[in-house]
Amino acid sequence: EAQVTQNPRYLITVTGKKLTVTCSQNMNHEYMSWYRQDPGLGLRQIYYSMNVEVTDKGDVPEGYKVSRKEKRNFPLILESPSPNQTSLYFCASSLGRGQGNSPLHFGNGTRLTVT
Amino acid sequence: DQQVKQNSPSLSVQEGRISILNCDYTNSMFDYFLWYKKYPAEGPTFLISISSIKDKNEDGRFTVFLNKSAKHLSLHIVPSQPGDSAVYFCAARERGNFGNEKLTFGTGTRLTIIP
Repeated sequence: EAQVTQNPRYLITVTGKKLTVTCSQNMNHEYMSWYRQDPGLGLRQIYYSMNVEVTDKGDVPEGYKVSRKEKRNFPLILESPSPNQTSLYFCASSLGRGQGNSPLHFGNGTRLTVT
Repeated sequence: DQQVKQNSPSLSVQEGRISILNCDYTNSMFDYFLWYKKYPAEGPTFLISISSIKDKNEDGRFTVFLNKSAKHLSLHIVPSQPGDSAVYFCAARERGNFGNEKLTFGTGTRLTIIP
């Protein structure tokens, strides 16, 4: 089944304790991205990657890091989480711009709470 | 600055009737528009899309209309079914954008279908 898989689904942590949220897709998509969803703000892009070893900042990158060492994986790293990073996070992937219009496919989300 | 606006946070419709969800945008550089459906504890699921060169796209019970002069998008669901109860997000992609497939999302409309 074609899908984007995120882990963990739920995570409670404390301020300053480094964490990683994993994301993997099995559709051979070139493009991957991370979003966060907050009440009243919709989904906002954190980082994106157009291909392996190519990553760039989205609209709200502060406090986050990403890497794209393999095509299928795109982990989100919070080096020193803070309470304002408490949010619902979604990973997404698509074929990429060179493939015409293709929709983003989303994972099921990771609900992160930082105390 | 909310570039994609869904002004109705919620909508209730009788089963079998037409559901109309609306979306307005301000950025004239958007060239691709999408609707996503989201159930609780799941990620957004792609529903239907439309390119800016078209004014209508149909897929079964779902039709999206685009009025570029008014910068307005609408999703029609007919007939509405109980399984359509979900949060619907309008999203738009900007032309060019250096290969970033970033979607700008509205804040969502919660649709409830009344049996």
